[in-house]
Amino acid sequence: SQTIHQWPATLVQPVGSPLSLECTVEGTSNPNLYWYRQAAGRGLQLLFYSVGIGQISSEVPQNLSASRPQDRQFILSSKKLLLSDSGFYLCAWSVSRGRVLFRKLFFGSGTQLSVL
Amino acid sequence: TQLLEQSPQFLSIQEGENLTVYCNSSSVFSSLQWYRQEPGEGPVLLVTVVTGGEVKKLKRLTFQFGDARKDSSLHITAAQPGDTGLYLCAGAGPGGSNYKLTFGKGTLLTVNP
Repeated sequence: SQTIHQWPATLVQPVGSPLSLECTVEGTSNPNLYWYRQAAGRGLQLLFYSVGIGQISSEVPQNLSASRPQDRQFILSSKKLLLSDSGFYLCAWSVSRGRVLFRKLFFGSGTQLSVL
Repeated sequence: TQLLEQSPQFLSIQEGENLTVYCNSSSVFSSLQWYRQEPGEGPVLLVTVVTGGEVKKLKRLTFQFGDARKDSSLHITAAQPGDTGLYLCAGAGPGGSNYKLTFGKGTLLTVNP
């Protein structure tokens, strides 16, 4: 069965410090990978998605970047955190192969980031 | 611009009551999904609706996709405290892309015992 691991669960960082959040998926190959941010327990904002190694699409201009160094690894980074980067960060994956009408998303358990 | 509007934003009811929450858009979606999220966890998929007018039932939960595929509703019968959570709708597209889902802001449901 497929599983998704995301860590750390919580993180407190000072303004201006770097960030690295990691997400790995097991039990599947060539998944589509996603980073979402959720503010104050509300709607999800898509930050990045990737359909393959080294292929990253950015949805909103921001202080963050993403990388996919391996097929099932997705990393969210920042060189210098801002206060506005605080939030709940969720990694997700979906099946990529075949002709499908819709994509189910399978989410990790999230990272609560507080920038102080 | 918020493509998917969910209402109400907050709903607090007593155990045993019925409720309906709504997800509306001016855009046509190829499919629409409903997720439930508990505090400190990622959302979990409840259902996907694809065909206009489609109705799906999941135990006490009934999901409907509008005929024009622009809106959806979730009805819960005899709500229980275990139904408490954030209910999110998400649309695939619009524009034909099914790589991405657009999420609404959610309805935060509290069912009091």
